[in-house]
Amino acid sequence: DADVTQTPRNRITKTGKRIMLECSQTKGHDRMYWYRQDPGLGLRLIYYSFDVKDINKGEISDGYSVSRQAQAKFSLSLESAIPNQTALYFCATSDTRGGPVYREQFFGPGTRLTVL
Amino acid sequence: AQSVTQLGSHVSVSEGALVLLRCNYSSSVPPYLFWYVQYPNQGLQLLLKYTTGATLVKGINGFEAEFKKSETSFHLTKPSAHMSDAAEYFCAVSAAGNQFYFGTGTSLTVIP
Repeated sequence: DADVTQTPRNRITKTGKRIMLECSQTKGHDRMYWYRQDPGLGLRLIYYSFDVKDINKGEISDGYSVSRQAQAKFSLSLESAIPNQTALYFCATSDTRGGPVYREQFFGPGTRLTVL
Repeated sequence: AQSVTQLGSHVSVSEGALVLLRCNYSSSVPPYLFWYVQYPNQGLQLLLKYTTGATLVKGINGFEAEFKKSETSFHLTKPSAHMSDAAEYFCAVSAAGNQFYFGTGTSLTVIP
């Protein structure tokens, strides 16, 4: 079973619709992240959460919001989707409690979102 | 602040040839450096990482990378390319706060 899961895997929606992407993890990690991937731009950080009560904006947070419902769940919302939010979205987790050696991030399989 | 530059958005090599993917970083503090691979329609998978200690790091699938502080580089190499190595490769740097900064990626094509 996958340690980091994302739902849905694919979504097509229309401009102006509200969309929620969900991420769940069974790794017990404290930190969770949302990225978007665009061709030629790599991965850019949208939001990240150190724990349930600590949420931080990333590089490109405008137009997005997040909720950390539990340590294992981190959802990303697009309140009013627009076409330039069409992208591949990734959730990631990391465990920082053990020190630097554990700093790698573990990624989910991604959600492909198309906004028409 | 940290940043990563990957030289060459597309690299093509013949099967059996050396693979060299370039990564240069900028960091105001000692960095942690990572290479990830993304196969089509999949998420990112860690290939290898440098945190502290030995500067030559070996990863999965025969890949390795060398941290060169004087050159601010962390280039990824593999002696002999396989068809299964065709994928997108991302270099990333992390420092204080555990934020990752990714490069724009290099798409590797392996020619039979």
